Amino acid sequence: NAGVTQTPKFQVLKTGQSMTLQCAQDMNHEYMSWYRQDPGMGLRLIHYSVGAGITDQGEVPNGYNVSRSTTEDFPLRLLSAAPSQTSVYFCASSYRGGTIYFGEGSWLTVV
Amino acid sequence: DQQVKQNSPSLSVQEGRISILNCDYTNSMFDYFLWYKKYPAEGPTFLISISSIKDKNEDGRFTVFLNKSAKHLSLHIVPSQPGDSAVYFCAASEGGGADGLTFGKGTHLIIQP
Repeated sequence: NAGVTQTPKFQVLKTGQSMTLQCAQDMNHEYMSWYRQDPGMGLRLIHYSVGAGITDQGEVPNGYNVSRSTTEDFPLRLLSAAPSQTSVYFCASSYRGGTIYFGEGSWLTVV
Repeated sequence: DQQVKQNSPSLSVQEGRISILNCDYTNSMFDYFLWYKKYPAEGPTFLISISSIKDKNEDGRFTVFLNKSAKHLSLHIVPSQPGDSAVYFCAASEGGGADGLTFGKGTHLIIQP
C-alpha cells in the first residue's frame, strides 16, 4: 500500500541546474498537487491538477513546471534552480471531496 | 495576505488535559476545513475535517468545531497524550479541495508528562 510516493528524498543542486521531482500515487486519485514548505511557514501551493492533461497554477508557481500525462504521475520540474527554491516539497493526492494524502517530502537544497 | 491564520506558534499542555488549537480564516468562500498533524522529516498526516454545512465533527479523541459567523475553527484533543506532540496545521479550501489547500503556519503542540 504505497499511497503517495516522492523521489528523491534529498537532493542538492547547483544554481542554474534543472531537475525533476517525481510524484506517483496508486490510489487512482483525480486530484494531485505540489506544495513547498519553508521554515516557519505553512505549506504553499505551487501547482495542481484535477485530472490527466489538466494543470493549473497555485499560489507560488514561478520557476516550476508541471505536466499530468497519466492519472498516477505528477512530476514537478525546476528548469533553472535558484537558491530561493531551497525548500521541502510535498506532493498530495485525493478524490474530489475526499481525504487529501501527502507524500513524505523531498528536501531540496540549491547552492 | 494570510487567508488562514494560526496565531499561536506553540502550545504546551499537560498529559491527560485538553489541548485546544485555534484557527481563523478570512475567505468566506472556504467550504472545507482540515487539520493535519506533522512530525519532523515526515509528510503531513490527515487528522480530521469538517464541511461548512456542519459545526462539529468528532473522531475519537479529536473534535473540530466550526463557527462560520466568526470565521473560526478549533481542534480539541481529549485527553492529550505524549504522541500528540507535533506541529498541527489548519487548512481550508473551496470546492472540496479540488484547487488545493490554503494552510496556516502551524502550531507546535508540546505535551508535557
